[in-house]
Amino acid sequence: NAGVTQTPKFQVLKTGQSMTLQCAQDMNHNSMYWYRQDPGMGLRLIYYSASEGTTDKGEVPNGYNVSRLNKREFSLRLESAAPSQTSVYFCASSPTSGGSYNEQFFGPGTRLTVL
Amino acid sequence: KQEVTQIPAALSVPEGENLVLNCSFTDSAIYNLQWFRQDPGKGLTSLLLIQSSQREQTSGRLNASLDKSSGRSTLYIAASQPGDSATYLCAVGGNTPLVFGKGTRLSVIA
Repeated sequence: NAGVTQTPKFQVLKTGQSMTLQCAQDMNHNSMYWYRQDPGMGLRLIYYSASEGTTDKGEVPNGYNVSRLNKREFSLRLESAAPSQTSVYFCASSPTSGGSYNEQFFGPGTRLTVL
Repeated sequence: KQEVTQIPAALSVPEGENLVLNCSFTDSAIYNLQWFRQDPGKGLTSLLLIQSSQREQTSGRLNASLDKSSGRSTLYIAASQPGDSATYLCAVGGNTPLVFGKGTRLSVIA
């Protein structure tokens, strides 16, 4: 069981470039999430997918798009990277039952620098 | 809007000491509360999950309590060790995904 995996681990982009962060989980979880973590700001939710086929905006969605490719995979795309998007990005998943978001499990993170 | 606060932001204790980390939240309509550990440069590791119907959860030297009515949770670490040095985050879950506090950075000095 690999849990939640993320690729790449590190990335440097120039302003205006695009890229996709990949996330996959092998725990058969319904829900998946993308967060960013910045010094002094804590963890903030970018987008989430409560179940396959659905996506919703979180606290800081501007400048990002997501795709829930299937139950296992949830990708985050930066269409035109900006220095303000320099951050550590974490993907997470949870089983979810009913209306309750249950225990979340996190990936190791992607460290993104935008120059 | 749910807000989660963790005080203190940083804490330094000698090895062997028992300690308590605090977490408070503004909206008591939660389903659960989760405590995480984060080592420098690493992801988050789940420590304990407390459902709203529970008052506490224990795992080894860790004990987490929940008082929904007062909007507070504590994480008790017994007999602290240098290996416990990390940032500890609490997060509350309702009918929306988790809302995180900014964490308490713990240093246990040998």
